[in-house]
Amino acid sequence: QKEVEQNSGPLSVPEGAIASLNCTYSDRGSQSFFWYRQYSGKSPELIMFIYSNGDKEDGRFTAQLNKASQYVSLLIRDSQPSDSATYLCAVNMGKGAQKLVFGQGTRLTINP
Amino acid sequence: NAGVMQNPRHLVRRRGQEARLRCSPMKGHSHVYWYRQLPEEGLKFMVYLQKENIIDESGMPKERFSAEFPKEGPSILRIQQVVRGDSAAYFCASSFDRASTYGYTFGSGTRLTVV
Repeated sequence: QKEVEQNSGPLSVPEGAIASLNCTYSDRGSQSFFWYRQYSGKSPELIMFIYSNGDKEDGRFTAQLNKASQYVSLLIRDSQPSDSATYLCAVNMGKGAQKLVFGQGTRLTINP
Repeated sequence: NAGVMQNPRHLVRRRGQEARLRCSPMKGHSHVYWYRQLPEEGLKFMVYLQKENIIDESGMPKERFSAEFPKEGPSILRIQQVVRGDSAAYFCASSFDRASTYGYTFGSGTRLTVV
């Protein structure tokens, strides 16, 4: 089992709809969870982090965490073409939780 | 306020040469992480360093790869005797403290091409 798993996609969503991105992780002791966005040829940029079970909202983005199910998700409301990118889920793992382990990423395309 | 600075942005090396990748963390950050990204793949952890110390090198290949973060100057990722399979994007990230709190800030990356 991979430490952090994401559906690689591509995920295609019409403009204005809700995009839903999912991630599962293997380490039940993980406490911190992050979503990064990466445009083609660019470096990853942090868009959301979540530590507690439940939802966390920031503008059009909502992160959801369920530690019992070891599941993290990212919802993007009112999707825009500029949201087209690869979304990387990252989980803090390792001895003393000292490093982020990334999933392979989900490629999202928003169709005008 | 400069972010994480990596150089060079692009590096071309012939097989058997050495590649040196440099990373200066954000001001005030003392934790540095190196990741490698192959085309169409996710980020793979390589090494975590603090000043003058390697904390976790569990992702580093056993041979040809080394990393340092000296007391003065940038962090260096060195790849000796490069092979075509080393061609990838190498990203450096830094954080204020352990990544459990705020996540990382990434540099722009170094794209290494081995010909």
